Amino acid sequence: KAGVTQTPRYLIKTRGQQVTLSCSPISGHRSVSWYQQTPGQGLQFLFEYFSETQRNKGNFPGRFSGRQFSNSRSEMNVSTLELGDSALYLCASSSSTSGITDTQYFGPGTRLTVL
Amino acid sequence: GQQLNQSPQSMFIQEGEDVSMNCTSSSIFNTWLWYKQDPGEGPVLLIALYKAGELTSNGRLTAQFGITRKDSFLNISASIPSDVGIYFCAGLDSSNTGKLIFGQGTTLQVKP
Repeated sequence: KAGVTQTPRYLIKTRGQQVTLSCSPISGHRSVSWYQQTPGQGLQFLFEYFSETQRNKGNFPGRFSGRQFSNSRSEMNVSTLELGDSALYLCASSSSTSGITDTQYFGPGTRLTVL
Repeated sequence: GQQLNQSPQSMFIQEGEDVSMNCTSSSIFNTWLWYKQDPGEGPVLLIALYKAGELTSNGRLTAQFGITRKDSFLNISASIPSDVGIYFCAGLDSSNTGKLIFGQGTTLQVKP
């Protein structure tokens, strides 16, 4: 099976712009979670989607949003970018066959730089 | 909130040595996961633990889920240069809805 794919791998934006990142989970996986990784804060949970519904959300401002499509692909959007949004954004997929998300497999990430 | 304390923060060892790192928490987790991350890449799953007291091996790696569900350790035996990287423990939030709580990471360097 192909692994989790994320596009683009690298992105440079300026303050105030918005950005959309994409994640394609492992085939058959229904759960997609998003994380932000920074040197200062480490890996922090953004949100999780399961069957097109957001089931859990981390402590991030409303500028961070996401969605999931019927084919389980997911996108996350960050509006009004700030310098502090520069980070590696990771998505992870899980099969969640019984609705419980446990073992998560990560994609390579999207490196976002905000200038 | 839930937090994981991972130690040591970094290790510098000689090739061939064994390595041990651990994570502790004040909260109970139902699932513990260990990941390795190389620079610029996403974390790669090493071992998943689901039952209290469970001991699981994956090649030279061995991990155990603590009886109290509040701790876990990872051992690497006979380290090799490609073991270099950052190792993270992660606990699954009790809601079981995809929220992993990560430790701060252990940076491992191996001297050939």
